Amino acid sequence: GAVVSQHPSWVICKSGTSVKIECRSLDFQATTMFWYRQFPKQSLMLMATSNEGSKATYEQGVEKDKFLINHASLTLSTLTVTSAHPEDSSFYICSATSGRSFNEQFFGPGTRLTVL
Amino acid sequence: AQTVTQSQPEMSVQEAETVTLSCTYDTSESDYYLFWYKQPPSRQMILVIRQEAYKQQNATENRFSVNFQKAAKSFSLKISDSQLGDAAMYFCAHIIQGAQKLVFGQGTRLTINP
Repeated sequence: GAVVSQHPSWVICKSGTSVKIECRSLDFQATTMFWYRQFPKQSLMLMATSNEGSKATYEQGVEKDKFLINHASLTLSTLTVTSAHPEDSSFYICSATSGRSFNEQFFGPGTRLTVL
Repeated sequence: AQTVTQSQPEMSVQEAETVTLSCTYDTSESDYYLFWYKQPPSRQMILVIRQEAYKQQNATENRFSVNFQKAAKSFSLKISDSQLGDAAMYFCAHIIQGAQKLVFGQGTRLTINP
C-alpha cells in the first residue's frame, strides 16, 4: 500500500516550452501533496505544499507563476514548469500524505527534467 | 525554526560491518517525529525507520536501529551487518506533530566496500 507514482520519469524539452509532471496516489486518498526539487548530490528542497481543492502554498523564493501546481482531486497533483529554461533542469519529487497524519510522507520515484 | 544537520557528507564501511550515521536537529517543540530515509541510485526515497519523540525506546527495524537522545537532540542511525544494497544517500528528517513540513538534513552518502 501507499504507492505514489510520477509521470513522466524523465523529460527533455526545449527552452521556452512548458512541461507538466503528474503525481498520483495509487491506493490512498492524498489530501496533501508536496513538491520537492533536488539538485545533484544535494538534499530535497520543498517547493510547495498542495492541499486538495485549494491553492498551493509556495516556499519562499519559489516563483508561483513559473511552477504552477494543481491538486484537483484526492489522487492527482500536477506541477507545470512554465517557460522552462536550462536552470530549471533538475530532479522533481512529489510526496503525499493521507491527511490522517502528517507523520509519514510517501514519495514518488521522481521526474528528471532536462531543458535544452 | 527547525533545522536538521548531518555532519558527515560521506561514510564508508566494509561489508558485514556496522556503521553509524549522525544527525542532530533543533526544535523548540516537544512533540515531533524523526525519520531516516534512504535514497539509492534509483533516487526513490525509501523510509528506513521512524521515531516518535514521546517514545523513550529506540526504534528498530531489522538491521537498522536508532540512538535517540532527546535532550541532546541527536538521532543517529546504526546499520548492522552492512550489505552492498545499503549503499545510498541517507537523509535524516524531522516533522513537528500537526505540522506539514518535513525538514531534511543535507544527507550522508554511504559506500559499502566489498
